[in-house]
Amino acid sequence: GAVVSQHPSRVICKSGTSVKIECRSLDFQATTMFWYRQFPKQSLMLMATSNEGSKATYEQGVEKDKFLINHASLTLSTLTVTSAHPEDSSFYICSARAKGAGTNEKLFFGSGTQLSVL
Amino acid sequence: QKEVEQNSGPLSVPEGAIASLNCTYSDRGSQSFFWYRQYSGKSPELIMSIYSNGDKEDGRFTAQLNKASQYVSLLIRDSQPSDSATYLCAVKPWAGSYQLTFGKGTKLSVIP
Repeated sequence: GAVVSQHPSRVICKSGTSVKIECRSLDFQATTMFWYRQFPKQSLMLMATSNEGSKATYEQGVEKDKFLINHASLTLSTLTVTSAHPEDSSFYICSARAKGAGTNEKLFFGSGTQLSVL
Repeated sequence: QKEVEQNSGPLSVPEGAIASLNCTYSDRGSQSFFWYRQYSGKSPELIMSIYSNGDKEDGRFTAQLNKASQYVSLLIRDSQPSDSATYLCAVKPWAGSYQLTFGKGTKLSVIP
């Protein structure tokens, strides 16, 4: 099956620093990447949708200047949490839709990144 | 606001029993429905997808969909301790959408 590689798996940073999370589709081209955030015992909440070569679409309540998303190529999307604060501590997960996939095609998830901001 | 509701559990079943997980959704126009399994600290793994009313079976798993009642369920037969995880119900709102709305998940514990 298709593989989505997400790095790092865990990051601990100081408040005020920026953290970049990478998501790569290893054996397929991902035209669309979704970024989710999951707090403990909560469900995955969609943060933004990014299409290759265009600006990301952010969900209501998600600050686009704080969560920078870049989808410069068909195999790589990045999420940068700028000026991270303790309330940004969460589990971040990307998922990818393959190029040419119909709307009923399943999404492929990365392994997730646990961010802890001290 | 489109919502997907699940009982958070925990749902405890003995090994070998049938586990029944339920999900309701608010958007009557929803087209596609998915069950994901998520182990603690890991990303979700797709277990089943269902698009039409009725039952869909895959090994020990059976998904059931009733669009009139806006209800989807997952049955796990011959439950194993390795099935212990959180099960997320996810709904795709309309045919042209690629986005998923997730429920909060039901934690399942299979007791040996």
